[in-house]
Amino acid sequence: AQSVSQHNHHVILSEAASLELGCNYSYGGTVNLFWYVQYPGQHLQLLLKYFSGDPLVKGIKGFEAEFIKSKFSFNLRKPSVQWSDTAEYFCAVSPRTGRRALTFGSGTRLQVQP
Amino acid sequence: GAVVSQHPSRVICKSGTSVKIECRSLDFQATTMFWYRQFPKQSLMLMATSNEGSKATYEQGVEKDKFLINHASLTLSTLTVTSAHPEDSSFYICSAKRTSGGASYEQYFGPGTRLTVT
Repeated sequence: AQSVSQHNHHVILSEAASLELGCNYSYGGTVNLFWYVQYPGQHLQLLLKYFSGDPLVKGIKGFEAEFIKSKFSFNLRKPSVQWSDTAEYFCAVSPRTGRRALTFGSGTRLQVQP
Repeated sequence: GAVVSQHPSRVICKSGTSVKIECRSLDFQATTMFWYRQFPKQSLMLMATSNEGSKATYEQGVEKDKFLINHASLTLSTLTVTSAHPEDSSFYICSAKRTSGGASYEQYFGPGTRLTVT
């Protein structure tokens, strides 16, 4: 069975600070990797994904993530956060084959202070 | 495109009654839909995979007789919580995968349904 762990449960940053949210996964096979964002009162939205190829992937709103296979990690980064980035961030993985159901991490609540 | 709706958005019911939650893909067809449950300040836990025209696949620990899933068409899956109890109170979220077109791995999420059982 696959599992996902997110190390930071609650992060508070000031605007313009840099962000890095950790995500590690465990799974015996190859996976697809995702970061989802849930803004207050809204539904989950895909932020970025890694399927194959360049391990550094860029998503919407200036976010990027790097897949490091040897570390089973897929950390999310943003050089300069904005107040509007306040949200809950979920890392998720799915197997490359089969149902491809998502397994989510516990989430990180990001609070950006103006 | 790729919009998923859920109805109702909120429901309050009495213990012992049943509640049906609908998940619709509005502008695409979805052979596969997923049902998740999210407890306060926790992550989404996959409950079951809903397959159009066949039986749902339930995750370990999820009672299939309590959480009835019907995926009768390519745009609609329903989750019925039978004989609801207060511990069933939660946020239920569905997602849908496109039958064709788009990336096969991508799921589109509904806005969720807040169930409160009194």
